[in-house]
Amino acid sequence: AQSVTQPDIHITVSEGASLELRCNYSYGATPYLFWYVQSPGQGLQLLLKYFSGDTLVQGIKGFEAEFKRSQSSFNLRKPSVHWSDAAEYFCAVNTGGFKTIFGAGTRLFVKA
Amino acid sequence: DTEVTQTPKHLVMGMTNKKSLKCEQHMGHRAMYWYKQKAKKPPELMFVYSYEKLSINESVPSRFSPECPNSSLLNLHLHALQPEDSALYLCASSQEAGGGGEKLFFGSGTQLSVL
Repeated sequence: AQSVTQPDIHITVSEGASLELRCNYSYGATPYLFWYVQSPGQGLQLLLKYFSGDTLVQGIKGFEAEFKRSQSSFNLRKPSVHWSDAAEYFCAVNTGGFKTIFGAGTRLFVKA
Repeated sequence: DTEVTQTPKHLVMGMTNKKSLKCEQHMGHRAMYWYKQKAKKPPELMFVYSYEKLSINESVPSRFSPECPNSSLLNLHLHALQPEDSALYLCASSQEAGGGGEKLFFGSGTQLSVL
């Protein structure tokens, strides 16, 4: 069965610093890969998605993610973090059909 | 309109009550979902409707009863809930039905407390 691992429960970054959130997946083939963001008490919003093609994917709000098949990873990056980026970030996989499996999430704190 | 609207935003109910959660989207999406999210946990899939037919039931207890009256509406009927059912209930929709790689559009959720 497919699974998603986000090894960092929480990360603290200074405003203006760069960010990288890690995600590893377990699946025999390349699944559909996603990053979602959730602010407290809110629903999830899609940041970006990857299935095939260019392994560097651009998303909304200045985020990007890089797919590395050899490492089964799909890490999320942002060159300069803003205070408004503080939220919970979920990596997710879909191997076809309706089931999207979410990782445990990484909580991002931004300090001034 | 790219919104999924959920009502109510907050709900407190006793274990003997019957209540319903409502979800609405006007994006023409043909798949609609219910997720349950406990505090500090990821969302967990409960039900999926595709073209107004129940497609997935993730072995959810019968005290949760979904309904899809039409392609824009999704309800979740609640009866005889337990305190451990307290959670954020998220509705989502997606454009295509079952092709994989679905981009999910989420509502803001209903925060449910069962006393």
